[in-house]
Amino acid sequence: GQQVMQIPQYQHVQEGEDFTTYCNSSTTLSNIQWYKQRPGGHPVFLIQLVKSGEVKKQKRLTFQFGEAKKNSSLHITATQTTDVGTYFCAVLTNDYKLSFGAGTTVTVRA
Amino acid sequence: DGGITQSPKYLFRKEGQNVTLSCEQNLNHDAMYWYRQDPGQGLRLIYYSQIVNDFQKGDIAEGYSVSREKKESFPLTVTSAQKNPTAFYLCASSDPRNTEAFFGQGTRLTVV
Repeated sequence: GQQVMQIPQYQHVQEGEDFTTYCNSSTTLSNIQWYKQRPGGHPVFLIQLVKSGEVKKQKRLTFQFGEAKKNSSLHITATQTTDVGTYFCAVLTNDYKLSFGAGTTVTVRA
Repeated sequence: DGGITQSPKYLFRKEGQNVTLSCEQNLNHDAMYWYRQDPGQGLRLIYYSQIVNDFQKGDIAEGYSVSREKKESFPLTVTSAQKNPTAFYLCASSDPRNTEAFFGQGTRLTVV
C-alpha cells in the first residue's frame, strides 16, 4: 500500500492566501519527491528532498523535509489560479519502486 | 522530440476482453512504471521494471500483466480478471542516476 499519507485531501484557497500541504510517513524516508498534476494532465516533477531538515524554494513554493525524515511539507504563498491542480508526494526506494501519496487537490477562489 | 508516448488516449472495450496499453520512451531510461489513477485515490503502482527482461509487482498487480522485452517499451495488459478496469492509466520512466520520473499523457480506459 501507500507508504505516505497526504493531508488535506482537498484544499480550497482564496486567491492571494497561503496554504500548506503535508506528507507523513510512519517510517524514516530516504527521500521525498513532489509532483504537480494540472486538471486533465499528467504529473510533472517539482523537486526532490534527501537531507534531514532540507528546505528548497521554487518562486512561491517552499518544500521542507522534516528533521526525522518522516514528513515533508509544501507551502505556497500568495496563491494564484495557476496553482490549481493536485500535488503529490512520492517516495523512491532502493529497488526503484516509486510510490505516491493520494494527493492534495487544490482549488482557488478568485 | 524526446519523451514518453502512451497510446491510445482513449480506449473502449467490452467486459471480458483483454486489452493492451502501449508505452514507449526514447529517453534511454532504465526504469519504467505503470500507475492507475482513480478519483480521490492518487496514483497506485501496478508494475514497475528496473531493467530489460525484469519487472516487479506493485501494490495492485492483480488482473494485470506486463512485459519488458525492449528498453524503450513497457506494455500493460489489462486482463479480464481485473474486476474494475475502468480508470486512467499512466506510464512513467526514470533514469536511476536522476530519479525524476517523466510521465506520458495517459490512457483513459473504459470497459462497458
